[in-house]
Amino acid sequence: SAVISQKPSRDICQRGTSLTIQCQVDSQVTMMFWYRQQPGQSLTLIATANQGSEATYESGFVIDKFPISRPNLTFSTLTVSNMSPEDSSIYLCSVVKVGRSDTQYFGPGTRLTVL
Amino acid sequence: AQKITQTQPGMFVQEKEAVTLDCTYDTSDQSYGLFWYKQPSSGEMIFLIYQGSYDEQNATEGRYSLNFQKARKSANLVISASQLGDSAMYFCAMREGVKGDYKLSFGAGTTVTVRA
Repeated sequence: SAVISQKPSRDICQRGTSLTIQCQVDSQVTMMFWYRQQPGQSLTLIATANQGSEATYESGFVIDKFPISRPNLTFSTLTVSNMSPEDSSIYLCSVVKVGRSDTQYFGPGTRLTVL
Repeated sequence: AQKITQTQPGMFVQEKEAVTLDCTYDTSDQSYGLFWYKQPSSGEMIFLIYQGSYDEQNATEGRYSLNFQKARKSANLVISASQLGDSAMYFCAMREGVKGDYKLSFGAGTTVTVRA
Protein backbone atom coordinates (compact mmCIF):
# COMPACT_ATOMS: atom_id res chain seq x y z
CA SER A 1 0.00 0.00 0.00
CA ALA A 2 0.94 3.67 0.07
CA VAL A 3 1.06 6.05 3.00
CA ILE A 4 -0.68 9.27 2.03
CA SER A 5 -1.01 12.39 4.13
CA GLN A 6 -3.16 15.43 3.52
CA LYS A 7 -3.03 18.89 5.01
CA PRO A 8 -5.13 20.36 6.43
CA SER A 9 -7.33 17.60 7.76
CA ARG A 10 -10.21 20.03 8.09
CA ASP A 11 -10.91 23.72 7.75
CA ILE A 12 -13.70 26.24 8.02
CA CYS A 13 -13.45 29.04 5.49
CA GLN A 14 -15.33 32.17 4.51
CA ARG A 15 -16.96 32.45 1.12
CA GLY A 16 -14.88 34.15 -1.51
CA THR A 17 -11.59 32.91 -0.10
CA SER A 18 -9.33 30.12 -1.38
CA LEU A 19 -7.84 27.07 0.29
CA THR A 20 -4.90 24.97 -0.84
CA ILE A 21 -4.84 21.30 0.14
CA GLN A 22 -1.59 19.38 0.12
CA CYS A 23 -1.13 15.68 -0.60
CA GLN A 24 2.13 13.89 0.19
CA VAL A 25 2.92 10.24 -0.61
CA ASP A 26 5.66 8.19 0.99
CA SER A 27 6.90 6.76 -2.32
CA GLN A 28 6.91 7.61 -5.99
CA VAL A 29 3.63 6.86 -7.69
CA THR A 30 2.53 7.02 -11.29
CA MET A 31 -0.94 8.43 -10.95
CA MET A 32 -2.41 10.95 -8.55
CA PHE A 33 -6.03 12.02 -8.48
CA TRP A 34 -8.26 14.46 -6.63
CA TYR A 35 -11.82 13.55 -5.69
CA ARG A 36 -14.67 15.46 -4.12
CA GLN A 37 -17.31 13.97 -1.87
CA GLN A 38 -20.22 16.26 -1.16
CA PRO A 39 -22.25 15.64 2.01
CA GLY A 40 -24.11 12.34 1.85
CA GLN A 41 -22.85 11.67 -1.68
CA SER A 42 -20.43 9.35 -3.39
CA LEU A 43 -17.02 10.31 -4.74
CA THR A 44 -16.63 12.35 -7.89
CA LEU A 45 -13.33 12.64 -9.73
CA ILE A 46 -12.17 16.23 -10.11
CA ALA A 47 -8.97 15.72 -12.07
CA THR A 48 -5.86 13.70 -12.71
CA ALA A 49 -2.75 15.46 -11.42
CA ASN A 50 -0.01 15.18 -14.03
CA GLN A 51 3.60 15.51 -13.01
CA GLY A 52 5.17 18.61 -14.51
CA SER A 53 2.19 19.53 -16.67
CA GLU A 54 -1.38 20.77 -16.47
CA ALA A 55 -3.92 18.55 -14.76
CA THR A 56 -6.59 16.72 -16.74
CA TYR A 57 -10.02 17.83 -15.56
CA GLU A 58 -13.27 15.90 -15.64
CA SER A 59 -16.44 17.30 -17.06
CA GLY A 60 -17.86 19.98 -14.81
CA PHE A 61 -14.54 20.94 -13.22
CA VAL A 62 -12.31 23.75 -14.48
CA ILE A 63 -8.78 24.86 -13.78
CA ASP A 64 -9.77 28.37 -12.67
CA LYS A 65 -11.88 26.93 -9.86
CA PHE A 66 -9.66 23.98 -8.94
CA PRO A 67 -6.04 24.69 -9.89
CA ILE A 68 -3.82 21.67 -9.31
CA SER A 69 -0.07 21.33 -9.16
CA ARG A 70 2.14 18.26 -9.15
CA PRO A 71 5.79 19.29 -9.13
CA ASN A 72 7.12 15.77 -8.53
CA LEU A 73 6.05 12.14 -8.19
CA THR A 74 5.20 12.31 -4.49
CA PHE A 75 3.44 15.65 -3.98
CA SER A 76 0.38 17.47 -5.28
CA THR A 77 -1.80 20.41 -4.28
CA LEU A 78 -5.43 21.23 -4.98
CA THR A 79 -6.71 24.76 -4.53
CA VAL A 80 -10.40 25.45 -4.10
CA SER A 81 -10.79 29.03 -5.35
CA ASN A 82 -13.39 31.68 -4.63
CA MET A 83 -15.25 29.31 -2.36
CA SER A 84 -18.99 29.17 -1.84
CA PRO A 85 -21.02 27.03 0.59
CA GLU A 86 -21.58 24.55 -2.26
CA ASP A 87 -17.87 23.72 -2.08
CA SER A 88 -18.31 22.25 1.39
CA SER A 89 -17.11 18.68 0.90
CA ILE A 90 -14.48 16.16 1.72
CA TYR A 91 -11.60 16.43 -0.72
CA LEU A 92 -9.56 13.26 -1.17
CA CYS A 93 -6.23 12.69 -2.81
CA SER A 94 -5.60 9.25 -4.25
CA VAL A 95 -2.69 7.43 -5.84
CA VAL A 96 -2.21 4.29 -7.88
CA LYS A 97 0.45 1.76 -6.95
CA VAL A 98 1.20 -0.12 -10.12
CA GLY A 99 0.98 -3.85 -9.57
CA ARG A 100 -1.33 -6.80 -10.11
CA SER A 101 -4.45 -4.89 -9.27
CA ASP A 102 -3.22 -1.31 -9.73
CA THR A 103 -5.13 -0.48 -6.60
CA GLN A 104 -6.03 3.12 -5.91
CA TYR A 105 -5.28 4.22 -2.36
CA PHE A 106 -6.75 7.27 -0.72
CA GLY A 107 -5.49 9.88 1.66
CA PRO A 108 -7.34 10.65 4.89
CA GLY A 109 -9.26 13.49 3.24
CA THR A 110 -9.71 17.18 3.95
CA ARG A 111 -13.09 18.13 5.38
CA LEU A 112 -13.93 21.63 4.17
CA THR A 113 -16.78 23.77 5.43
CA VAL A 114 -17.52 27.08 3.71
CA LEU A 115 -19.63 29.60 5.58
CA ALA B 1 -26.07 5.57 -17.49
CA GLN B 2 -25.01 4.56 -14.02
CA LYS B 3 -21.91 2.41 -14.20
CA ILE B 4 -22.08 1.12 -10.63
CA THR B 5 -25.35 0.46 -8.83
CA GLN B 6 -25.67 -0.19 -5.13
CA THR B 7 -29.33 -0.66 -4.34
CA GLN B 8 -29.13 -0.86 -0.56
CA PRO B 9 -28.85 2.60 1.02
CA GLY B 10 -28.55 1.12 4.51
CA MET B 11 -28.33 -2.22 6.25
CA PHE B 12 -28.41 -3.46 9.81
CA VAL B 13 -26.56 -6.59 10.86
CA GLN B 14 -26.18 -8.35 14.17
CA GLU B 15 -22.68 -8.69 15.56
CA LYS B 16 -20.97 -11.96 14.51
CA GLU B 17 -23.36 -12.49 11.62
CA ALA B 18 -22.52 -12.22 7.93
CA VAL B 19 -23.80 -9.46 5.64
CA THR B 20 -23.89 -9.21 1.85
CA LEU B 21 -23.66 -5.86 0.10
CA ASP B 22 -24.95 -5.77 -3.45
CA CYS B 23 -23.13 -4.22 -6.39
CA THR B 24 -23.97 -4.43 -10.06
CA TYR B 25 -21.98 -2.81 -12.81
CA ASP B 26 -22.33 -1.84 -16.43
CA THR B 27 -19.48 -1.94 -18.92
CA SER B 28 -18.82 -3.09 -22.45
CA ASP B 29 -15.12 -3.56 -21.78
CA GLN B 30 -13.72 -7.07 -21.49
CA SER B 31 -10.98 -5.96 -19.12
CA TYR B 32 -12.00 -4.20 -15.94
CA GLY B 33 -11.42 -4.24 -12.21
CA LEU B 34 -13.83 -4.08 -9.32
CA PHE B 35 -12.99 -2.64 -5.92
CA TRP B 36 -14.65 -2.29 -2.56
CA TYR B 37 -13.80 0.49 -0.12
CA LYS B 38 -14.87 1.17 3.45
CA GLN B 39 -15.44 4.71 4.68
CA PRO B 40 -15.83 5.13 8.46
CA SER B 41 -17.26 8.31 9.91
CA SER B 42 -13.73 9.78 9.95
CA GLY B 43 -13.97 10.10 6.16
CA GLU B 44 -10.94 8.10 5.06
CA MET B 45 -11.38 5.58 2.24
CA ILE B 46 -9.99 2.16 3.12
CA PHE B 47 -9.31 -0.35 0.34
CA LEU B 48 -10.82 -3.74 1.13
CA ILE B 49 -10.72 -6.08 -1.85
CA TYR B 50 -10.14 -6.29 -5.60
CA GLN B 51 -11.52 -8.55 -8.34
CA GLY B 52 -10.19 -8.53 -11.88
CA SER B 53 -12.51 -9.38 -14.75
CA TYR B 54 -10.26 -12.26 -15.80
CA ASP B 55 -9.82 -13.69 -12.32
CA GLU B 56 -11.34 -17.15 -12.24
CA GLN B 57 -11.68 -17.35 -8.49
CA ASN B 58 -13.59 -15.07 -6.18
CA ALA B 59 -11.32 -12.73 -4.25
CA THR B 60 -10.96 -13.09 -0.50
CA GLU B 61 -9.20 -10.90 2.07
CA GLY B 62 -9.62 -12.04 5.64
CA ARG B 63 -13.29 -11.60 6.59
CA TYR B 64 -14.06 -10.01 3.23
CA SER B 65 -14.96 -12.01 0.16
CA LEU B 66 -16.29 -10.96 -3.20
CA ASN B 67 -19.05 -12.95 -4.88
CA PHE B 68 -18.23 -12.29 -8.52
CA GLN B 69 -20.87 -13.30 -11.06
CA LYS B 70 -19.59 -12.08 -14.38
CA ALA B 71 -22.59 -13.06 -16.50
CA ARG B 72 -24.87 -11.15 -14.15
CA LYS B 73 -22.39 -8.28 -13.86
CA SER B 74 -22.51 -8.39 -10.10
CA ALA B 75 -19.74 -8.13 -7.52
CA ASN B 76 -21.27 -8.48 -4.09
CA LEU B 77 -19.19 -8.02 -0.96
CA VAL B 78 -19.63 -10.49 1.87
CA ILE B 79 -18.46 -9.54 5.34
CA SER B 80 -18.34 -12.53 7.65
CA ALA B 81 -18.46 -12.47 11.44
CA SER B 82 -19.42 -8.79 11.60
CA GLN B 83 -17.78 -6.63 14.24
CA LEU B 84 -18.88 -3.30 15.70
CA GLY B 85 -15.94 -1.68 13.92
CA ASP B 86 -17.43 -2.71 10.58
CA SER B 87 -20.08 -0.01 10.93
CA ALA B 88 -19.30 2.34 8.03
CA MET B 89 -20.23 3.31 4.49
CA TYR B 90 -19.14 0.81 1.84
CA PHE B 91 -18.49 1.78 -1.77
CA CYS B 92 -18.20 -0.43 -4.82
CA ALA B 93 -16.05 0.96 -7.63
CA MET B 94 -14.98 -0.06 -11.12
CA ARG B 95 -12.01 0.67 -13.32
CA GLU B 96 -12.65 0.05 -16.99
CA GLY B 97 -10.46 -0.67 -19.96
CA VAL B 98 -6.77 -1.00 -20.56
CA LYS B 99 -4.09 0.34 -18.27
CA GLY B 100 -3.15 3.98 -18.43
CA ASP B 101 -6.38 5.52 -17.22
CA TYR B 102 -6.93 4.16 -13.70
CA LYS B 103 -10.06 6.24 -13.18
CA LEU B 104 -12.64 4.79 -10.83
CA SER B 105 -16.42 5.04 -11.04
CA PHE B 106 -18.11 4.76 -7.66
CA GLY B 107 -21.52 3.56 -6.59
CA ALA B 108 -23.76 5.51 -4.23
CA GLY B 109 -22.63 3.47 -1.26
CA THR B 110 -24.29 1.34 1.41
CA THR B 111 -24.30 2.26 5.08
CA VAL B 112 -23.77 -0.74 7.35
CA THR B 113 -24.66 -0.58 11.02
CA VAL B 114 -23.57 -3.47 13.21
CA ARG B 115 -25.70 -4.03 16.29
CA ALA B 116 -24.34 -5.55 19.50
